[in-house]
Amino acid sequence: GDSVTQMEGPVTLSEEAFLTINCTYTATGYPSLFWYVQYPGEGLQLLLKATKADDKGSNKGFEATYRKETTSFHLEKGSVQVSDSAVYFCALSVHTGNQFYFGTGTSLTVIP
Amino acid sequence: NAGVTQTPKFQVLKTGQSMTLQCAQDMNHEYMSWYRQDPGMGLRLIHYSVGAGITDQGEVPNGYNVSRSTTEDFPLRLLSAAPSQTSVYFCASSLQPPSGGAWTGELFFGEGSRLTVL
Repeated sequence: GDSVTQMEGPVTLSEEAFLTINCTYTATGYPSLFWYVQYPGEGLQLLLKATKADDKGSNKGFEATYRKETTSFHLEKGSVQVSDSAVYFCALSVHTGNQFYFGTGTSLTVIP
Repeated sequence: NAGVTQTPKFQVLKTGQSMTLQCAQDMNHEYMSWYRQDPGMGLRLIHYSVGAGITDQGEVPNGYNVSRSTTEDFPLRLLSAAPSQTSVYFCASSLQPPSGGAWTGELFFGEGSRLTVL
């Protein structure tokens, strides 16, 4: 079935460090891929997305590239800030159903 | 902009009690859904609706009921609460997916409702 697998957390980084959060997927057909972010005490909000192979989504310094050959959509940021501390969710949607599939989430803490 | 509004934000129930979590959106979205968020399990879909009068089950529907009488509202009912339903619940809405294609739009989430069942 359709699913998303994220790297386990929590992740703790120093400010200005490089961030990678791994995400791989299994899907029927041609999915769209998303990263959502959840700040403490809030609901999820869209961070970036990619809708076809080789597309790169980007926002707020974060990037992820839709790799069909490796079924991956890894999230990266070159220099994290304390304000990036949050839980990050990888997600996909497929054309065969009316739902999104979310990963388990990766908690990121950035320390000054 | 109100977006997606959930009430209540916190609720404590005793086993066997019933309650309704309210969800309203003001973006004229056809699609609405309920998720539960549990540690280590991410978000799991409970029920969803693609328009007024139309609902369907998601991954974990047991113990929950929904109805969709208007475009704006999508309440989630717990008929007889159990400790296993202790969770954080999120309502989310979106525009309808394009016919025959994968969803490319964004899900808009409410702030969540934390439910504890004793």
